Amino acid sequence: EAQVTQNPRYLITVTGKKLTVTCSQNMNHEYMSWYRQDPGLGLRQIYYSMNVEVTDKGDVPEGYKVSRKEKRNFPLILESPSPNQTSLYFCASGPFPQYFGPGTRLTVL
Amino acid sequence: DQQVKQNSPSLSVQEGRISILNCDYTNSMFDYFLWYKKYPAEGPTFLISISSIKDKNEDGRFTVFLNKSAKHLSLHIVPSQPGDSAVYFCAASEGTGANSKLTFGKGITLSVRP
Repeated sequence: EAQVTQNPRYLITVTGKKLTVTCSQNMNHEYMSWYRQDPGLGLRQIYYSMNVEVTDKGDVPEGYKVSRKEKRNFPLILESPSPNQTSLYFCASGPFPQYFGPGTRLTVL
Repeated sequence: DQQVKQNSPSLSVQEGRISILNCDYTNSMFDYFLWYKKYPAEGPTFLISISSIKDKNEDGRFTVFLNKSAKHLSLHIVPSQPGDSAVYFCAASEGTGANSKLTFGKGITLSVRP
């Protein structure tokens, strides 16, 4: 089954404690991206990757890092999370149409 | 500056009636448009798309209309069913190449009343 998986699905953490949200796809897509969804703001792109070792900033990259060492994996790294990064995060692969993961609800206290 | 606008945050319709979800865009370079549907606790899923060379695309109960001169598109669901209750996102892009980026609207919550 074609799918995008994310882990963890839910995470509560404290300010400044580094965390990583993993993302994996099994569709051999070159393009992967990360979004955050906030009330009243819709989906905003954080980072995207057009292929292995090729990443670029989206609309709201501040406070985030990504890496793309393998085609199937695209982890999102928050090195020093802050409360304004409390959000619902989605990983997606494939440009058209994009296939989304189930989401990770992150709360930063 | 919001390039894709879904100005109505919510819509409620009776089961069996038509649902019309609207979307406006400001970037005249956008030439491909998509609708995504999102249920709670799930990721968005692709629903239907339309290229700017068309003005209508139909897939079962779902039809998307594009009015390029007005920079407006709409999603029609006929007949609406309770299972259609979800958040619907409109998205647009310049082209469909490998480096094309999707720009999303804020979403609209559709509620279909039994």
